[in-house]
Amino acid sequence: ETGVTQSPTHLIKTRGQQVTLRCSSQSGHNTVSWYQQALGQGPQFIFQYYREEENGRGNFPPRFSGLQFPNYSSELNVNALELDDSALYLCASSSRSGTGDYGYTFGSGTRLTVV
Amino acid sequence: AQSVTQPDIHITVSEGASLELRCNYSYGATPYLFWYVQSPGQGLQLLLKYFSGDTLVQGIKGFEAEFKRSQSSFNLRKPSVHWSDAAEYFCAVASTGGFKTIFGAGTRLFVKA
Repeated sequence: ETGVTQSPTHLIKTRGQQVTLRCSSQSGHNTVSWYQQALGQGPQFIFQYYREEENGRGNFPPRFSGLQFPNYSSELNVNALELDDSALYLCASSSRSGTGDYGYTFGSGTRLTVV
Repeated sequence: AQSVTQPDIHITVSEGASLELRCNYSYGATPYLFWYVQSPGQGLQLLLKYFSGDTLVQGIKGFEAEFKRSQSSFNLRKPSVHWSDAAEYFCAVASTGGFKTIFGAGTRLFVKA
């Protein structure tokens, strides 16, 4: 069984630019969640995708957007980058069932630095 | 609204000693509760989870956690810590239906020889 794969692993962008981060879900998982983890903090929920639709969103502005594809892979797009967007971005896949998720499988993350 | 509090920012224990990491949650209904571990520069790995039933949950790497509804707590324990357990530990809560898992700020575990 394959795990969750994120690309790229590291990225440096300039303030104002746009970035796309990618995530391949674990085999058999149909739900993808994205988290932002600033240095020394816990992961903060950005949004979740289930069946290619956004299924919940945290306190992040609209310049954070995403997609989920039929093969359950996902993208996170951030427009108009700000310095505070520098963080580790984590993708987590899970299997939605009638009684809820059974815990996440996380990727290793993409370290984004905005300069 | 859901929330998770991990009162200890960091804890230092001697190798071979027992460990308890504290977690308190706020949620109106029966929560789904999790503990994750994160090594430096890595993603998070699920240690254990609680949905219902037996309030003492066994996880990987010799960890266990106990759900106490009356105290809104879900503390993580290990009887004998190994140097390789040094990492950041996160408690998390999810609503029924499982979406929008909320994480605590984490507890950094240091293990001394």
